[in-house]
Amino acid sequence: SQTIHQWPATLVQPVGSPLSLECTVEGTSNPNLYWYRQAAGRGLQLLFYSVGIGQISSEVPQNLSASRPQDRQFILSSKKLLLSDSGFYLCAWSVKTGSQETQYFGPGTRLLVL
Amino acid sequence: AQSVTQPDIHITVSEGASLELRCNYSYGATPYLFWYVQSPGQGLQLLLKYFSGDTLVQGIKGFEAEFKRSQSSFNLRKPSVHWSDAAEYFCAVGAFNTDKLIFGTGTRLQVFP
Repeated sequence: SQTIHQWPATLVQPVGSPLSLECTVEGTSNPNLYWYRQAAGRGLQLLFYSVGIGQISSEVPQNLSASRPQDRQFILSSKKLLLSDSGFYLCAWSVKTGSQETQYFGPGTRLLVL
Repeated sequence: AQSVTQPDIHITVSEGASLELRCNYSYGATPYLFWYVQSPGQGLQLLLKYFSGDTLVQGIKGFEAEFKRSQSSFNLRKPSVHWSDAAEYFCAVGAFNTDKLIFGTGTRLQVFP
């Protein structure tokens, strides 16, 4: 069966520091991968998605970036964090079966920028 | 453009009561529809999905949802709510020609004993 991991689970970082959040998927090949952010009391905002190694689509201009160095690894980064980067970051994966695609989510990383 | 509306931000029900969470979507073609549940501090768990076929969809944890094209709705229902159902519920819409989902803003469910 497929599993998705995110780490760290919780992170407290000072403003201006760098960021690296990692997401890995097991038990599937060539998944689509997604990064979402969920601010306190709000819905999900799609940040990046990837349909293959090295292929990244950005949905929202910001100081964050994403990379996919391996088929089942998706990394969210920042060179300098802002206070507004605080939130709950969710990684998701999906595989298309014909025209049907379902996204499955990881446990999330809670980021607090102080 | 696709959009999803969950009109109820917060719903409170008594344990054992029936539940209906509303979801309305806007999309020009046949949508793919999903309901997810999120417990505090956790990721999202898929409850059920609709791609085609029978418009009444059964999901996990005793939930069901009905796709009504004429009303552009995909409401989530449960006949008898349990205290453990207290969580936030998200409706989402996808489409044939896109890899992305559009999420509603969520409905927070509170259950009283």
